[in-house]
Amino acid sequence: GAGVSQSPRYKVTKRGQDVALRCDPISGHVSLYWYRQALGQGPEFLTYFNYEAQQDKSGLPNDRFSAERPEGSISTLTIQRTEQRDSAMYRCASSPPGTIQETQYFGPGTRLLVL
Amino acid sequence: DAKTTQPNSMESNEEEPVHLPCNHSTISGTDYIHWYRQLPSQGPEYVIHGLTSNVNNRMASLAIAEDRKSSTLILHRATLRDAAVYYCILKTTVMDSNYQLIWGAGTKLIIKP
Repeated sequence: GAGVSQSPRYKVTKRGQDVALRCDPISGHVSLYWYRQALGQGPEFLTYFNYEAQQDKSGLPNDRFSAERPEGSISTLTIQRTEQRDSAMYRCASSPPGTIQETQYFGPGTRLLVL
Repeated sequence: DAKTTQPNSMESNEEEPVHLPCNHSTISGTDYIHWYRQLPSQGPEYVIHGLTSNVNNRMASLAIAEDRKSSTLILHRATLRDAAVYYCILKTTVMDSNYQLIWGAGTKLIIKP
């Protein structure tokens, strides 16, 4: 079946612009995670959804970052007034319903470059 | 959150076994040990996880020390396609708790033909 998809795959924007990154999880997966990954580093947790509820947003770096998942499926990560330090790979992952030790399935990521 | 320590990089010859170590001396009784790997230019993919007993699946084996303060991911016969960064991560079993996976920098595995 189809895996996790993310769009756009690449985004170049100017400092100060807003960007919206989309994640389409695997059908039936109730958990959705957003991560940010710098070059040569492991993924850094941003936020977590269970269905449409945002249950943990402790990893969002500041109030310019927000995420939503209004219908419990597709999620959007929005970065307002982008800054150069926001440049990174943004990854989305989803997990099926089940135990707390569910496997996370990652999408291909969106590479964001802020000029 | 409990942290893990892994070597920055390791090298191995093709078709030989590879043992990737991970130290987690502050692991709690509710923490599972997860391993993911990330191939070049791809997202991370799940490899294996365990709690106390050794685990085997089609990709790898996980050997967990008796005191659970360390573990080893074993690739029985490495191929060039196994060249990746391997992450060892602890994840709590406590319900309704923080669902974060705390990722380190991982071990870059280099396979020599």
